[in-house]
Amino acid sequence: GAVVSQHPSWVICKSGTSVKIECRSLDFQATTMFWYRQFPKQSLMLMATSNEGSKATYEQGVEKDKFLINHASLTLSTLTVTSAHPEDSSFYICSASGGAGSGYTFGSGTRLTVV
Amino acid sequence: ELKVEQNPLFLSMQEGKNYTIYCNYSTTSDRLYWYRQDPGKSLESLFVLLSNGAVKQEGRLMASLDTKARLSTLHITAAVHDLSATYFCAVPPAESGGSNYKLTFGKGTLLTVNP
Repeated sequence: GAVVSQHPSWVICKSGTSVKIECRSLDFQATTMFWYRQFPKQSLMLMATSNEGSKATYEQGVEKDKFLINHASLTLSTLTVTSAHPEDSSFYICSASGGAGSGYTFGSGTRLTVV
Repeated sequence: ELKVEQNPLFLSMQEGKNYTIYCNYSTTSDRLYWYRQDPGKSLESLFVLLSNGAVKQEGRLMASLDTKARLSTLHITAAVHDLSATYFCAVPPAESGGSNYKLTFGKGTLLTVNP
């Protein structure tokens, strides 16, 4: 089945630094990638939608200059959290569409802790 | 704006019992997704329901979709401890013909199955 590899699975960084999270579709071309964040005991909140080769579409309230999304190829999308602060600590999950069937394939998630 | 409501949000049940989780959504959509999330993990796809009247079963879980009522159910039969997890339903907008559209998630149902 379709697989999306997400790295790193966890990261601890200092406040003010930037962190990059990668999602790769391993056996299909991900025409669209979705980036979510999830706080403890809450549902997934969509941050942005990206299509290969175009600028990402950000959800209302998401700072596009802080959460940089690049979808330069059909198999790779990245989310960079710039100048991270403790309130950015969260579980970030990517999801790709474009695989077989009508579904969405989720990455394994990245636990970001900003200290 | 599409809204997705799940109930109950918390469900504690004994092994061997049956129960149903409900997912209502506010605007027309022709498909619905169910996911499972274990603590600290990403989402695992359970079911994709693609049409009115669709019913799918996998083990002790059975999902159905009534697009006219804008309602999906996830029925648990003879629950076992391994089913303990958070279950999410998710709905794309009405115009979705594939999987390039963002999903709106319910808040999730935290299921605890006690021995």
